[in-house]
Amino acid sequence: QSALTQPASVSASPGQSITISCTGTSSDVGAYNYVSWYQQHPGKAPKLMIYDVTSRPSGVSNRFSGSKSGNTASLTISGLQAEDEADYYCNSFTMSSTVVFGGGTKLTVL
Amino acid sequence: EVQLVQSGAEVKKPGESLKISCKASGYSFTNYWIGWVRQMPGRGLEWMGIIYPGDSDTRYSPSFQGQVTISVDKSVNTAYLHWRSLKASDSAMYYCARHASLGRFLDWWGQGTLVTVSS
Repeated sequence: QSALTQPASVSASPGQSITISCTGTSSDVGAYNYVSWYQQHPGKAPKLMIYDVTSRPSGVSNRFSGSKSGNTASLTISGLQAEDEADYYCNSFTMSSTVVFGGGTKLTVL
Repeated sequence: EVQLVQSGAEVKKPGESLKISCKASGYSFTNYWIGWVRQMPGRGLEWMGIIYPGDSDTRYSPSFQGQVTISVDKSVNTAYLHWRSLKASDSAMYYCARHASLGRFLDWWGQGTLVTVSS
């Protein structure tokens, strides 16, 4: 199985919004509403930010939102803050009953 | 509170065997899948496989099938990741994480175990 496709990097200024895409296939992202997103700061374990495409865990800022259209899921972060600078990974269940991550996107807050 | 506490960093030689652990607490261990995730230095997350402690049902990513073994010991609420013969390319950080259900999101993560394989 191939990794989901994410842009390698995105950047924006504080207060702006960004969207990170996550493209898979009809056998993973397109097959289920089981896409999740994780934030990872350097030297830290990943943290769940969005699950089941659009849901936010308790304690995660409502500046983070998720969506999906066809085989592509997206993570949007609005009102960027310095603390949002991190790596972001998407993840999806697959029709092979396995899980696949995206390659990761480095977010830089200018 | 849910906690996943992983065993400490390991330094091994190529060809040696290794088993790292992930001890769970704060929830019913047998009711949630546990997954393992690899992160090689400077690289992204890779899903390795998953096990259901209730009945030891195990699934592997095709990339890791036959390369590692995932197991559990319900009596001590602990999941394991085992290599029979390490390679230098196994050097990485390994995370365990709890899946909300089969294939769904990973809601709690261990702190990671750094494995270094070098002659």
